Parts: sequence; C-alpha cells; structure tokens
Amino acid sequence: DAKTTQPTSMDCAEGRAANLPCNHSTISGNEYVYWYRQIHSQGPQYIIHGLKNNETNEMASLIITEDRKSSTLILPHATLRDTAVYYCIVRVQGSARQLTFGSGTQLTVLP
Amino acid sequence: GAVVSQHPSWVICKSGTSVKIECRSLDFQATTMFWYRQFPKQSLMLMATSNEGSKATYEQGVEKDKFLINHASLTLSTLTVTSAHPEDSSFYICSATQNPGHSTDTQYFGPGTRLTVL
Repeated sequence: DAKTTQPTSMDCAEGRAANLPCNHSTISGNEYVYWYRQIHSQGPQYIIHGLKNNETNEMASLIITEDRKSSTLILPHATLRDTAVYYCIVRVQGSARQLTFGSGTQLTVLP
Repeated sequence: GAVVSQHPSWVICKSGTSVKIECRSLDFQATTMFWYRQFPKQSLMLMATSNEGSKATYEQGVEKDKFLINHASLTLSTLTVTSAHPEDSSFYICSATQNPGHSTDTQYFGPGTRLTVL
C-alpha cells in the first residue's frame, strides 16, 4: 500500500471548517483513500473513503486532487468532540487486507 | 455503519495469568478480523489476521503461542494473552471487515480493550 504523509498537528476554532491534508504521491490506480479518526482511548472510527471523485457523507467531505496525489478531509463545522487523531490511509479496496496506520494528524478543536 | 464490540473494555490481571478478549461483529458476518495493539502515544500496529475456520496469520515479531487467536464463528474472534507480563500492558483493538473482497469492503473497529498487567 502507498505511504501517506500528514501534518503532525493542527488546531481549528470551534464552528469553523477543519481542513486536514494528506499527501499520497505514490498512490496506485486501484488504491482508495480512507480516513479514520481515533478519539482518545477509543477504537478508530471510519469517516469516509474515495477513489478519485469527491465524496461527502454526514460526517465529512473528501476532496481528492485530479492527479490523486493528495487529498483533503473537510469537517464543515468542527465541534469540540471532533478533537482526535485523524488517519489518512491508502489501500486497495476489495483486498480484505489490514489497514496500515501512520502517525496521523492530531486535530485540536479550540473553543 | 457496522458495529463491532469488544469485551471486556478494560482488565487488570496479575503477571503470569491469561486474559481472553472477545471481538464481535454485531450486525454483519466477518470472515476476516484483525487484531491491533497500541502503546501509549503510538499508532496502531497490526498483530495478526484472524480468518474464520482457519489458523490466524501473525505479523513478524508477534509470538503466536503467546497471543492465541480463535475465530470460531463468523461473528466472533477471541484473543488470549497467555502468561501475561507487564510489557504486554497495552490497548488491544480488533476490527472486522464488512464485505471482504468486494468493492465496498470497509473495516470497522471495536472500542478497544485496555489491558494492565501488574
């Protein structure tokens, strides 16, 4: 699976949009971009995934660049409960393989 | 999304005892489950892949005789830490794959089990 690079930490004001970037310059054509988050002392929570089109669900939006070498997770109206470590993971879908977690981005939502 | 549970959520045991952790997929069948371990301030590390009806596959450096995995049904996998020692104290997390091998497969994680060995 391709390697990803994320900033170590970010701050965001409550109520504002949180934009979390991820670089995956070596992504292959059949690899999807997944986002998970882990709130302190809990298991990771699935957020969203996509291949090349932008995706949106009730939690977030995923914007993938046209060359697919980077993506941005957008939390439109961050709340204090969104404070967590966010992981961007690249993986071949349908492979039934494990997820490989990097260091992620510690997002802190400030009141 | 799909729900994965773990039991217990936390356990404290004496050194030398064995501890069993259960992972259940509550609303879907999971032929494949994964066990991860997370030490403080570190990321999740895969320990083993659990396949229903067959032997688990362990990652390099993980002792299969110490971390026994049983995946006897499509909704239950267990991890037994045998003869636990303080260095085994960690946060153990399982995940289950919904629709493995299909284009819509997604991994869902349990809430984790905090093991403290005294």
